[in-house]
Amino acid sequence: DAMVIQNPRYQVTQFGKPVTLSCSQTLNHNVMYWYQQKSSQAPKLLFHYYDKDFNNEADTPDNFQSRRPNTSFCFLDIRSPGLGDAAMYLCATSRDIVGEAQYFGPGTRLTVL
Amino acid sequence: SQKIEQNSEALNIQEGKTATLTCNYTNYSPAYLQWYRQDPGRGPVFLLLIRENEKEKRKERLKVTFDTTLKQSLFHITASQPADSATYLCALPDKLIFGTGTRLQVFP
Repeated sequence: DAMVIQNPRYQVTQFGKPVTLSCSQTLNHNVMYWYQQKSSQAPKLLFHYYDKDFNNEADTPDNFQSRRPNTSFCFLDIRSPGLGDAAMYLCATSRDIVGEAQYFGPGTRLTVL
Repeated sequence: SQKIEQNSEALNIQEGKTATLTCNYTNYSPAYLQWYRQDPGRGPVFLLLIRENEKEKRKERLKVTFDTTLKQSLFHITASQPADSATYLCALPDKLIFGTGTRLQVFP
C-alpha cells in the first residue's frame, strides 16, 4: 500500500549526540513536512520541502536541519539534541501546499538521555 | 498571529450519542479547514476538508460545518462507537496550523 514510512519508530540518543530520523513515501507527493509533537500538544511544523525548495519555519531552532535527496526520502537531523528535544517527530506529505490533505507517518519517538 | 482553539480538552459521551467538537479561529480568514484523527502514539489521519463556500460536508457518520462569520467549525460524529475514541484535531491552512485537539472518549 502507498504510505509514509518513518524509521526508526523509537530512537534513543544521548544529550548532544547527533541523530538522524528518516522518512520515505510511496505517494509521489511534492511536499514533505516535519512536525514536532510534545505530549498533549499540537503538532508543530518545523519545516517543509516543496520538491527541492526548503522552507524553514521562523521559530525552528538552528539545531534542526533537513535534507531531501530525492522525491521519496526526507531526513531530519538534530545536530546537538537537548533534553527539550525529546518528542514525537512526525513526517507528512501532500500533493500540494494548498487545499490538500496531509498524510502522516506513524512518527518517531525520540528520547534524549 | 493566527490562532486556533478547540474548546474542549476532553469530551466523554455514551455510545450511540452524537459527539460535537468545536474549533474556533482568530486573526485569519481561511479558504478551508481540515479535521484529523490522532490515536495515542500514532500520526494524525486526515478525515475531512471543508472549504469556505461549503457550509456542511459529510462522510459516513461524520459531519463538518464551517461558519466563516462565527469563525468556527463544528465536527459531529453521529451514532458514536467506542472505536471513535481518539483525539480530534482541527487545522488551518497553509502548511497546517493545528489546534491542540479534543480527546473524545465514547463509553459503551
